Amino acid sequence: QVQLVQSGAEVKKPGASVKVSCKASGYTFSKNSLHWVRQAPGQRLEWMGWINAANGDTEYSQRFQSRVTITRDTSATTAYMELSSLRPEDTAVYFCARGAFQTGYFNYFDHWGVGTLVTVSS
Amino acid sequence: ETETTQSPATLSVSPGERATLSCRASKSVSTNLAWYQKKPGQAPRLLIYDSSTRATGIPARFSGSGSGTEFTLTISNLQSEDFAVYFCHQYNTRPSLGSFGQGTRLEIK
Repeated sequence: QVQLVQSGAEVKKPGASVKVSCKASGYTFSKNSLHWVRQAPGQRLEWMGWINAANGDTEYSQRFQSRVTITRDTSATTAYMELSSLRPEDTAVYFCARGAFQTGYFNYFDHWGVGTLVTVSS
Repeated sequence: ETETTQSPATLSVSPGERATLSCRASKSVSTNLAWYQKKPGQAPRLLIYDSSTRATGIPARFSGSGSGTEFTLTISNLQSEDFAVYFCHQYNTRPSLGSFGQGTRLEIK
């Protein structure tokens, strides 16, 4: 069965970076896109960006354009999301989600990870 | 930007009854709308995509309808495991802050 297993909770200081991993299994890694979505306390879910697992192409939300980097390691069937210059308002649960289609953000998400809590506090 | 708005924020329904959840888009999204279920500590689960297509393994008591700007998720014969948060998601346009609804909490009456 399809599984997306995320790395554990992180506590970071303002200005630091965090890198969250998402290990995929149960399907052919290159056949679906992988997306990152976050949910801050009391807020709605927010899409951050996606990666084409086959060729590594990425696209990011303009809100995070300068601070987020999504990468993947095909041999490890793992995607990564790195967010830099962290601020307290980046405190959120970060989810990876598999896109139903290989490319694009016109995509719904057919499998999700359980989320990684990132806390930004001095 | 296309924003989605869900109503109500909280819905109290008794087991065995029917729950009707609404999602409204600020502009037409055709039928490019999905519904997900979220329980504490669990991964969100895809229930419905393309407005009315049940995802693999989703029981028939879950049904979706609508097109354009008005959408409904109906859960018939509510079971104890159905009490959760439900949110809609439009994927017709480039994602924005409002692509996901704010969620409806379905609680036991």
